[in-house]
Amino acid sequence: GAGVSQSPRYKVAKRGQDVALRCDPISGHVSLFWYQQALGQGPEFLTYFQNEAQLDKSGLPSDRFFAERPEGSVSTLKIQRTQQEDSAVYLCASSQHPTGGRETQYFGPGTRLLVL
Amino acid sequence: DQQVKQNSPSLSVQEGRISILNCDYTNSMFDYFLWYKKYPAEGPTFLISISSIKDKNEDGRFTVFLNKSAKHLSLHIVPSQPGDSAVYFCAAAYSGGSNYKLTFGKGTLLTVNP
Repeated sequence: GAGVSQSPRYKVAKRGQDVALRCDPISGHVSLFWYQQALGQGPEFLTYFQNEAQLDKSGLPSDRFFAERPEGSVSTLKIQRTQQEDSAVYLCASSQHPTGGRETQYFGPGTRLLVL
Repeated sequence: DQQVKQNSPSLSVQEGRISILNCDYTNSMFDYFLWYKKYPAEGPTFLISISSIKDKNEDGRFTVFLNKSAKHLSLHIVPSQPGDSAVYFCAAAYSGGSNYKLTFGKGTLLTVNP
């Protein structure tokens, strides 16, 4: 079976441009997570979906960041008016059940965003 | 404020020897700990975990030890193989309201030399 896929794998944006990053989780997985990984850092939590419901968006750095999962499967992370500090790898992860951190999260390969 | 700390950015060991990766945490609410392994251009993959009710969990060549009083855990890989060369992330979670949220350390790059 396919794992978590993300597209595009690489994105170069000019400062001020809007970008949209896509995540296809493992089929049937209820939970979906977005993380941001800056250079030399570990992944940092951005937001969490249980099916189509965004239950936690406490990690989103600013109101320029917006995530959705309208049908409870594919998710999109949108960043408006990108800034240089948004340059990072954006990781998506999914897990089968709506339980806690004890549930294994399966990560996609990430989208590397570079804002010039 | 780093709640999960991996103080060694890198570690180099010889093939066949033991690799020991260390992790410290500051939040006493954490009660579940995980290790993830990451190859370049790939996402992290789950390796092994341990609950705070245990002090050791073993899976093949991988063993995780937890010292709650010291807020310290370690991952032992015996014997180390060249294919183990990767970045290893320590992560923590807790049973509270946001129990789905993983807090990661910065990672340790392990290089196993043939």
